[in-house]
Formats: sequence, C-alpha cells, structure tokens
Amino acid sequence: DSGVTQTPKHLITATGQRVTLRCSPRSGDLSVYWYQQSLDQGLQFLIQYYNGEERAKGNILERFSAQQFPDLHSELNLSSLELGDSALYFCASTMDRGNTIYFGEGSWLTVV
Amino acid sequence: GIQVEQSPPDLILQEGANSTLRCNFSDSVNNLQWFHQNPWGQLINLFYIPSGTKQNGRLSATTVATERYSLLYISSSQTTDSGVYFCAVEQRSSNTGKLIFGQGTTLQVKP
Repeated sequence: DSGVTQTPKHLITATGQRVTLRCSPRSGDLSVYWYQQSLDQGLQFLIQYYNGEERAKGNILERFSAQQFPDLHSELNLSSLELGDSALYFCASTMDRGNTIYFGEGSWLTVV
Repeated sequence: GIQVEQSPPDLILQEGANSTLRCNFSDSVNNLQWFHQNPWGQLINLFYIPSGTKQNGRLSATTVATERYSLLYISSSQTTDSGVYFCAVEQRSSNTGKLIFGQGTTLQVKP
C-alpha cells in the first residue's frame, strides 16, 4: 500500500458526460501529480500541485481541470468526455521535488 | 524536453534467468526512479536512484548520471516479476519535480 488513495477505482460513463476523480496523498506529502496512461500514449504527465498551488502543467486537455484543496486532497475533473479519454488515471504524491514519488492504484475510466 | 528511452521494449525469460533493462536519458536529471507495473495496473516503486547503485533482494539498479543511463538488474527471475518496468526521470532544469516516463520494458517470465 503506497498510502495514496484514489477513488473511484472503476468508472464507466457515456460520451459527453463529466466525471470527477479524487486523490488523497500520503500523509505529509505536499505535492500531488496526475498522470494518464492509455495504450497508445504510455504514461503522460497531466498536472502538478504543490501545497494548493499549480506548479506544472503537462499535456492536459482544456476539457480537463484539477485543483488541490486546503486539506491537500486533489480532484481531477474530466468533462465532455470522448471515447479517447478512456484510460487509467493515476494520482501520485511526494513531499517535494527530488524525493521518491508514490502512486495510487489508479482510476480506470471507460467512456462508452 | 528530456527524452527517456528504454530497452529492450519486450523481453521473455525462462524462470531463473537473469536480465538487464536499460534506461537512457537525454539531459541531466536530479531524480530517477524505477517502477514495476503489475498485471493489475499497480505502479510499484522499485528504486529511487538518481546516481550510484542500490540493491533490494534479487533486484539491483545502477545509475551513471554523467553518462545519462541507468540499468535495472533482475536475477533469478520469477513469474511474479512479469509486468512492465518503467524508468522515470526528473529533468534537472524543471524545478517542479514532475517525472517523465519512458515507454517501458514488458517482461514475461515463463515457468
């Protein structure tokens, strides 16, 4: 158990819908990352928050947004879903840069 | 941005065999980690190794930062070692801590 908790573990939704993925980082970790893993794109960095502030942005679509709350949990919002958004979405956390990063078990999203 | 290349892309071993996985990166890094993704999709930390050598049981890793590569050694492989092995690096100039992943090496260990 990495200590990073993600919910839901599995989600099936229709095209055009909106979903929210939730992540609770390890106790004491201030930095949260979101990654998307699809079959054809590998593990892609989406966005990073540090202590409530956005620190880095990767290849995140405009239809996607995220935030980190004062209690340090984070949510990734995916809207106007398309079939191609079907993927495994990972949250990861670390205390700060240069430290070991720990991944949650992921949220499997299937868009039908 | 930094490029991360892993080789070989696929590897099939007989149980008990040894193997070496390689990760090349194109720029200076201040973080390098190896992960194992099991068949259920879980990403498990193996090593945090920006430089030097570490060992954990049958696994060991070496990073030569000046030559921009890292090696993961698996000895006496077992069927439970099957899965995908990823190398991920943080580019020294990024100042964010984000890890960039290679495409992975898919390992199948046959009984």
